[in-house]
Amino acid sequence: SQTIHQWPATLVQPVGSPLSLECTVEGTSNPNLYWYRQAAGRGLQLLFYSVGIGQISSEVPQNLSASRPQDRQFILSSKKLLLSDSGFYLCAWSVRRIRGTDTQYFGPGTRLTVL
Amino acid sequence: KQEVTQIPAALSVPEGENLVLNCSFTDSAIYNLQWFRQDPGKGLTSLLLIQSSQREQTSGRLNASLDKSSGRSTLYIAASQPGDSATYLCAVSNQAGTALIFGKGTTLSVSS
Repeated sequence: SQTIHQWPATLVQPVGSPLSLECTVEGTSNPNLYWYRQAAGRGLQLLFYSVGIGQISSEVPQNLSASRPQDRQFILSSKKLLLSDSGFYLCAWSVRRIRGTDTQYFGPGTRLTVL
Repeated sequence: KQEVTQIPAALSVPEGENLVLNCSFTDSAIYNLQWFRQDPGKGLTSLLLIQSSQREQTSGRLNASLDKSSGRSTLYIAASQPGDSATYLCAVSNQAGTALIFGKGTTLSVSS
């Protein structure tokens, strides 16, 4: 069966510090991968998605970046965190599709607090 | 730009009631629509997926319907239980894209 992991589970970082969140998927190959952010009162917002190694699409302009160094590994990074980066970060995967998306399966999330 | 709205934002019901959660979307050219459940501080769990060509999907006490032309979906929960308490999220996938666009959710509380 497929499993998706995220770490760390919680993180408290000062403004201006770097960030690296990791997501890995087991039990499937060539998945689509996604990073979402859920901020209080704002719902779930797609940040990045990837249809393959090294292929990253950004949905919103921000000081975050994403990378996919391996087929089942997705990393969210920042060089300098802002207060507005606080939120709940969720990674998800789905079966690869050229158009549309099948059911998305979410990881447990990372709670990031920037102070 | 696709927008997804969920009404009500919060709902409290006694155990055993049947209830309906509503979802509307502005662009009817969707690929599919998905309903998720989120427990506090947790990730999302997929409940039902309705393809754009389908009218409804059922899983246990859950039934989701889709009226693509009017841009609406409903999630029907039969015989609600305290364990159903959670936030329910609706999301659509556009035909041109590979990602989901979410509503802000309906937070359900079922009291025993």
